[in-house]
Amino acid sequence: GAGVSQTPSNKVTEKGKYVELRCDPISGHTALYWYRQSLGQGPEFLIYFQGTGAADDSGLPNDRFFAVRPEGSVSTLKIQRTERGDSAVYLCASSYTSGTVNTGELFFGEGSRLTVL
Amino acid sequence: SQKIEQNSEALNIQEGKTATLTCNYTNYSPAYLQWYRQDPGRGPVFLLLIRENEKEKRKERLKVTFDTTLKQSLFHITASQPADSATYLCALDRGFNKFYFGSGTKLNVKP
Repeated sequence: GAGVSQTPSNKVTEKGKYVELRCDPISGHTALYWYRQSLGQGPEFLIYFQGTGAADDSGLPNDRFFAVRPEGSVSTLKIQRTERGDSAVYLCASSYTSGTVNTGELFFGEGSRLTVL
Repeated sequence: SQKIEQNSEALNIQEGKTATLTCNYTNYSPAYLQWYRQDPGRGPVFLLLIRENEKEKRKERLKVTFDTTLKQSLFHITASQPADSATYLCALDRGFNKFYFGSGTKLNVKP
């Protein structure tokens, strides 16, 4: 596709359940980011991938959150034992890097809205 | 840690006027700063990037300034239109390809 694709667009789950959110970045973009956005707030950094590896996961709030990108393209954000406080929009973004240079522009998907009841 | 401040109050202006939005930051100065537009229920969309050695950047009706002494960026929309109504986010490069966002300012352009 032409843009960053995220699925599902909406997910309602019960407290304590496991959820997976998927991100399909723009083809050729080696950098992939996950952000979380609560109502009235800006996107909050969670994790950044360069290729297959997590270059920086310092934004993950706790060990219930985990993300993978096994083939350097599609990424999955996994949340275990969901809590009501996890309710937010989870945004994925990708960007192009050449060596260590990042062009800077992030291309965002439309987000996955997670509601934990 | 780096703190990014954008006016949380909505900015209401009349169509045709210039809208000016502010982004202030504390601590270190980023190598570059970006502005994004976000519409309700949508992901942010990139608008402009300005580097630390650039004072000003323009793109059509948009202008961004970057003052590393004041630790401030200003974002201007000239000849504003109702279609410009949205939330505008600034984002700072945190080094190592990480970007941190402000909470955004909502702009309302009234016809």
